[in-house]
Amino acid sequence: DAGVIQSPRHEVTEMGQEVTLRCKPISGHNSLFWYRQTMMRGLELLIYFNNNVPIDDSGMPEDRFSAKMPNASFSTLKIQPSEPRDSAVYFCASKFGRLPYGYTFGSGTRLTVV
Amino acid sequence: AQTVTQSQPEMSVQEAETVTLSCTYDTSESDYYLFWYKQPPSRQMILVIRQEAYKQQNATENRFSVNFQKAAKSFSLKISDSQLGDAAMYFCAYRNGGGADGLTFGKGTHLIIQP
Repeated sequence: DAGVIQSPRHEVTEMGQEVTLRCKPISGHNSLFWYRQTMMRGLELLIYFNNNVPIDDSGMPEDRFSAKMPNASFSTLKIQPSEPRDSAVYFCASKFGRLPYGYTFGSGTRLTVV
Repeated sequence: AQTVTQSQPEMSVQEAETVTLSCTYDTSESDYYLFWYKQPPSRQMILVIRQEAYKQQNATENRFSVNFQKAAKSFSLKISDSQLGDAAMYFCAYRNGGGADGLTFGKGTHLIIQP
């Protein structure tokens, strides 16, 4: 298995533009998580899905952030409009939902908003 | 809400020596899981070791072992025979045994290995 695949690896965009980050979980994993990593706040859980359904989005910072999981093999995190304070590394992780462990992380997307 | 605290922003150790990274957590739950993750410069989050709270025995994975003190809510990571490849950020993480999914992370400890 290729692991959790995130794209792009790096993204530079201008303030006000829409940004879409993508994630392909490991086949057979039915839970998917989006995290944000910054120097100030560390790793924060933004949202997670179970069987493609959003379960907890309490970590999503603002309405500018939205996430979807249209099928078991694909998820997106969208920021519209983007702001410089959204600059961070965004990680996607997946696991088999019944287990309380077994999280596998992608390599992250480094987002820079200028 | 659960919190995880790593009080050492940075640690340095000589190659082949032993180093211990500290982690404390706050929870009212009795059933939970604790993890140590390694994040090298490549950014990849790599699981180092896992501990189930219901297990009294400390987890061990080769050169990595933990000291789990449930009453004190302490979960330290010991790295023996440190190697240059161990240089990375190390994150302590917590997950409830049931209920809400997702990991709560500490702020991390930057481990430097001196050759």
